[in-house]
Amino acid sequence: ETGVTQSPTHLIKTRGQQVTLRCSSQSGHNTVSWYQQALGQGPQFIFQYYREEENGRGNFPPRFSGLQFPNYSSELNVNALELDDSALYLCASSFMTGGYEQYFGPGTRLTVT
Amino acid sequence: KQEVTQIPAALSVPEGENLVLNCSFTDSAIYNLQWFRQDPGKGLTSLLLIQSSQREQTSGRLNASLDKSSGRSTLYIAASQPGDSATYLCAVRGIATDSWGKFQFGAGTQVVVTP
Repeated sequence: ETGVTQSPTHLIKTRGQQVTLRCSSQSGHNTVSWYQQALGQGPQFIFQYYREEENGRGNFPPRFSGLQFPNYSSELNVNALELDDSALYLCASSFMTGGYEQYFGPGTRLTVT
Repeated sequence: KQEVTQIPAALSVPEGENLVLNCSFTDSAIYNLQWFRQDPGKGLTSLLLIQSSQREQTSGRLNASLDKSSGRSTLYIAASQPGDSATYLCAVRGIATDSWGKFQFGAGTQVVVTP
C-alpha cells in the first residue's frame, strides 16, 4: 500500500509569485485535505476535496485554491505569494466513509522571500 | 467555533516514566478525535483515532481516552523511551454543517524523554 506523497520537498519563491504544490493520495482514499503549518504551531485547515469538489474550507483567502483529479491526486495553488505564506504545507488523505482516519504526507516546505 | 488546547506546551521526563498528554476542546459535537506524532520538520504520523461513540483506544504502549461531555482527551504513553521524543498533536473533526471536513488541531505538546 503506497502512502501519501508530496512534491516538491522544498521550494523557495519570491513575494508576488504563484506556486503549485502536489499531493498523491494513499491508495483507495477518495478525500484529500490541505493544511498550512507555521513554525511552532499546529496545522491550520485550508480546504478539503471529495470527488473533485471542495466540500470544506478554512479561513484562507481565495488566492488559495485547489484541484482534485479523477485519480484522487491533488494540487494546492497559491497566487500572489506573501511572506506570511512561508510554512510547511501538509496534505492528508482519507476515505469518506468509515472511520475517516487521516493519513499525512511528509509536507512541502515553502519559503517566500 | 471549535478551539483545541494542549497543555503543557512542553514536557521533559526521564526514560521509563509514563507520559500523560492532555487535549481539550470547546465544542463536544465532534465526529472523531485523532492523535498524531510529528518529528521536527516532518509530516504527521497517526497514532490513534477515537470515534465519538468510543471511550478509549489502545495500541501497544499507547492508550487514548475520550470524554466528550467534558471536552477532553488524554494520551497515555507507558514506559517512555528516548525514541518517543517528538511533538504530539491532537485534532478533532466536527459534525456541524459549517465545520464538516474541518480538522481542528491543537498547538501540540513537545516531549523530550531523557536517557
